[in-house]
Amino acid sequence: SYELTQPPSVSVSPGQTARITCSADALPKQFGYWYQQKPGQAPVLLIYKDTERPSGIPERFSGSSSGTTVTLTISGVQAEDEADYYCQSADSSGTYVLFGGGTKLTVL
Amino acid sequence: QITLKESGPTLVKPTQTLTLTCTFSGFSLSTSGVGVGWIRQPPGKALEWLALIYWNDDKRYSPSLKSRLTITKDTSKNQVVLSMTNMDPVDTATYYCAHSLTIFGVVMDAFDIWGQGTMVTVSS
Repeated sequence: SYELTQPPSVSVSPGQTARITCSADALPKQFGYWYQQKPGQAPVLLIYKDTERPSGIPERFSGSSSGTTVTLTISGVQAEDEADYYCQSADSSGTYVLFGGGTKLTVL
Repeated sequence: QITLKESGPTLVKPTQTLTLTCTFSGFSLSTSGVGVGWIRQPPGKALEWLALIYWNDDKRYSPSLKSRLTITKDTSKNQVVLSMTNMDPVDTATYYCAHSLTIFGVVMDAFDIWGQGTMVTVSS
């Protein structure tokens, strides 16, 4: 079955840069999206179409894409960025939606 | 302002059918390029996409759950209904509905506005 693969956890000190990757064979054909989810809350869209940021999302959140991997970069990490992050895309034919397994970001 | 809210039973018994309603405002499912999806999240686990319905009544389902799911829309009531048959304790989760992201009138396979979610427990 088709999957989006994320690291289970990433740790970073405040002010440093965190990078969370998401890999899948179809990513060169399909856009990648990123969501942030804090405990007890619904997910929030952070990045769409690999690199675009919705209005209201801080500039420290950015996205990039290379081959079969999309990456979420958080520059100057703040304590409030501690959350679960999910990538999302579609299968190669665009028929169905997939979420990655999620990455827990810990701010040390 | 777009808002969505899920409603339905908080507790269902194994083998029963779950019916959830998403009531939304701020957009119309009769407008071209609009979609509403359902996503669930078991306690402590990852998000799982379930289904999508578009303005033109095109419907998409998770391949692993397709045989158990039905998604419908009632444009006049601004509602989307998801039914899931043969519920099992592993279906215990928070169920979210969400508005599909649309860019310049083109619907994307992503979700920009989410409801608060509704927790459903499957237990006898």
